[in-house]
Amino acid sequence: ILNVEQSPQSLHVQEGDSTNFTCSFPSSNFYALHWYRWETAKSPEALFVMTLNGDEKKKGRISATLNTKEGYSYLYIKGSQPEDSATYLCASPYSSASKIIFGSGTRLSIRP
Amino acid sequence: NAGVTQTPKFRILKIGQSMTLQCTQDMNHNYMYWYRQDPGMGLKLIYYSVGAGITDKGEVPNGYNVSRSTTEDFPLRLELAAPSQTSVYFCASRTGPNTEAFFGQGTRLTVV
Repeated sequence: ILNVEQSPQSLHVQEGDSTNFTCSFPSSNFYALHWYRWETAKSPEALFVMTLNGDEKKKGRISATLNTKEGYSYLYIKGSQPEDSATYLCASPYSSASKIIFGSGTRLSIRP
Repeated sequence: NAGVTQTPKFRILKIGQSMTLQCTQDMNHNYMYWYRQDPGMGLKLIYYSVGAGITDKGEVPNGYNVSRSTTEDFPLRLELAAPSQTSVYFCASRTGPNTEAFFGQGTRLTVV
């Protein structure tokens, strides 16, 4: 992996279902992995910053895991609600601790 | 607490004109960033700075310039605007490595 990559690009989920998506990043020279939530017509807001292999973080119904050795992170949303509809971005300063590079995002839509 | 403030919010430029997008933060953050939002591509890093007097190129620096004379301000200069620079521009700041970034509200720029 040479860049930060996210999959899938978009996801449509029924309200109440749980879902997850993936962020892949270069595993060499790892510094940190960020997750942001970006609602339409607003600015991105941070969910998590993760630094340690095996790290797990949780905020309400949203949680994330990190595997720095294989270069991936999963974001989980339990019991999706309409307000969870947003684009979820991951970012990693993989070439320099200072330079935050974003993936292209996963656009999540929740069907009522 | 104002956080990260960008001005203007909207601007229409003619091809060949120049302008400066302003960004200021009141959180005493050392690190500041400029991103552009390209459709389907998430956020692309234009320039970043790790402190007053220090700037460096990101992924897409061509056609832009920056300066960082104070900790608070990080203006982005567009010289000879081109239609390809039509985008939404976001400024962000953070304390340092392994910390979350805080974003401004964005500047929507159209070049015609």
